[in-house]
Amino acid sequence: KNQVEQSPQSLIILEGKNCTLQCNYTVSPFSNLRWYKQDTGRGPVSLTIMTFSENTKSNGRYTATLDADTKQSSLHITASQLSDSASYICVVSVTHDMRFGAGTRLTVKP
Amino acid sequence: DVKVTQSSRYLVKRTGEKVFLECVQDMDHENMFWYRQDPGLGLRLIYFSYDVKMKEKGDIPEGYSVSREKKERFSLILESASTNQTSMYLCASTYADRENYGYTFGSGTRLTVV
Repeated sequence: KNQVEQSPQSLIILEGKNCTLQCNYTVSPFSNLRWYKQDTGRGPVSLTIMTFSENTKSNGRYTATLDADTKQSSLHITASQLSDSASYICVVSVTHDMRFGAGTRLTVKP
Repeated sequence: DVKVTQSSRYLVKRTGEKVFLECVQDMDHENMFWYRQDPGLGLRLIYFSYDVKMKEKGDIPEGYSVSREKKERFSLILESASTNQTSMYLCASTYADRENYGYTFGSGTRLTVV
């Protein structure tokens, strides 16, 4: 069983709408949590990083939240654009290791 | 701008061929990794290296080998390609203290074995 679970597996929204992607993890001990964006045919690129003591981090229209007690994180995208169409991968760092979620495939339609 | 460069974006190889995937980074990173990425499974670690000539098996090393003769270059070798090795292969690198710096990924190589 994957120690980092993402939901939904895929999502389709209309341009301009908001959406929220979820990440639940069971790994420990926790160091930090990252969200990556992966465009089709490209490698993942880091969007945000949060440590244990942080519960929110923004990067433009992307806002990540973290609840270390419940081991849940979310990535909220506001005013979506066509260029937001990509896979979003949650990555949890533990001591000397990193665990990847399977990703959420987001499609933004005009 | 820091870079991880993978030599090929797309490759098509025949079953049984020996395949070399090359990865070069220009950030003086100690650690380098090879992952494969399949739909619904996410990234799975094949091999990693924390120093020149050093290598460690990841979660799915069977059918693969690696070579790190220089710090900046990490090669993934498919000794005898099989159709179940058709996948997207991603190279990544990071500093030794990787949980604090995160990974820099290459653009990926989509390998098709026919």
